Amino acid sequence: DGGITQSPKYLFRKEGQNVTLSCEQNLNHDAMYWYRQDPGQGLRLIYYSQIVNDFQKGDIAEGYSVSREKKESFPLTVTSAQKNPTAFYLCASSARRVTDGTEAFFGQGTRLTVV
Amino acid sequence: AQSVAQPEDQVNVAEGNPLTVKCTYSVSGNPYLFWYVQYPNRGLQFLLKYITGDNLVKGSYGFEAEFNKSQTSFHLKKPSALVSDSALYFCAVRPGGYNKLIFGAGTRLAVHP
Repeated sequence: DGGITQSPKYLFRKEGQNVTLSCEQNLNHDAMYWYRQDPGQGLRLIYYSQIVNDFQKGDIAEGYSVSREKKESFPLTVTSAQKNPTAFYLCASSARRVTDGTEAFFGQGTRLTVV
Repeated sequence: AQSVAQPEDQVNVAEGNPLTVKCTYSVSGNPYLFWYVQYPNRGLQFLLKYITGDNLVKGSYGFEAEFNKSQTSFHLKKPSALVSDSALYFCAVRPGGYNKLIFGAGTRLAVHP
């Protein structure tokens, strides 16, 4: 089956720890995105990548880091610098840049809780 | 600032009745417009999009949406609601010249039997 796989589905982190969320796609999509979802605030863009070895900051990049070493993988690290990391994190991909009107496809999300 | 507004936090509809979920936007250039649906603890599923052409676009599960350039709106509609349509609906806009999506806050649709 083609799609986007996020893991784990649920993640618990102690304060002060870094944690990495996995996102893998087998759709052969060039572009990948990370969004954060908080209740009542919709989705906010953290980072996005149009091609391998290149990525751009989104609207709320502080406290997060990414890498794009392979086309199919776009892991997100939530660092200890992120002051309020508890949220639902969504990864997405699209066949070409969103400028072409191609819709984005989403993974099932990772719910991160800081304990 | 570029933004997307979904003015209703929740919409309640009786099964079998028509439904409308509203979306207005304020962005530069000629936007691309999208609707997504989200079920609890799941990712977003694409419903439909407007790129160009006919202002009325049809999508998955019997949903349709009407693009109105003068009112900068892209309301989601369905002629006859089902209980299974109950979910969280997001409007998203890609402003002209930008390669990212801006999402509204979401509208929870509750369809009652």
